Amino acid sequence: EAQVTQNPRYLITVTGKKLTVTCSQNMNHEYMSWYRQDPGLGLRQIYYSMNVEVTDKGDVPEGYKVSRKEKRNFPLILESPSPNQTSLYFCASSWGTAIQQFFGPGTRLTVL
Amino acid sequence: KQEVTQIPAALSVPEGENLVLNCSFTDSAIYNLQWFRQDPGKGLTSLLLIQSSQREQTSGRLNASLDKSSGRSTLYIAASQPGDSATYLCAQGSNYQLIWGAGTKLIIKP
Repeated sequence: EAQVTQNPRYLITVTGKKLTVTCSQNMNHEYMSWYRQDPGLGLRQIYYSMNVEVTDKGDVPEGYKVSRKEKRNFPLILESPSPNQTSLYFCASSWGTAIQQFFGPGTRLTVL
Repeated sequence: KQEVTQIPAALSVPEGENLVLNCSFTDSAIYNLQWFRQDPGKGLTSLLLIQSSQREQTSGRLNASLDKSSGRSTLYIAASQPGDSATYLCAQGSNYQLIWGAGTKLIIKP
């Protein structure tokens, strides 16, 4: 089954404790992206990747890091999480933004 | 700055009615306009994608239109059902990213 998986689905952590949210797709997509969703603001892009070892900032990259060492994986890293990073995070993949995007189920992160 | 606006933020209609959801965007140089559905606790499901060269797309009871000159897209849902209750999001596809509206929360009353 074609899918995008994210782990964990739910995470409660404390300020400053490094964490990684994993994202994996099995469709051999070149394009992958991370978004955060906050009430009233819609989804905002954090980082995207056009292919292996090619990443770029989206609209809200501060406080986040990503890597794309393999085509299927695109982890999101929060080196020192802060409460303002409490949000719902989505990973997506596709052949490009002009094509249908497939989304993971989301990761709800709470930073205390 | 590119912006996408969805009005209303919430809508409640009786079952069986036809309805229209609105989406406005500011960048006329869009690649495409996409409509998604979001159910509570679940991810996003792509409903329809309209390329910039197209005027509309249809899938079952859903029809999406695109008017680049006015910066508007509409999602028409025919014969609404309680299972259509969800949040509907539109997103403008530009170079390497999607610009999202905040969504319209739709409730279909049985």
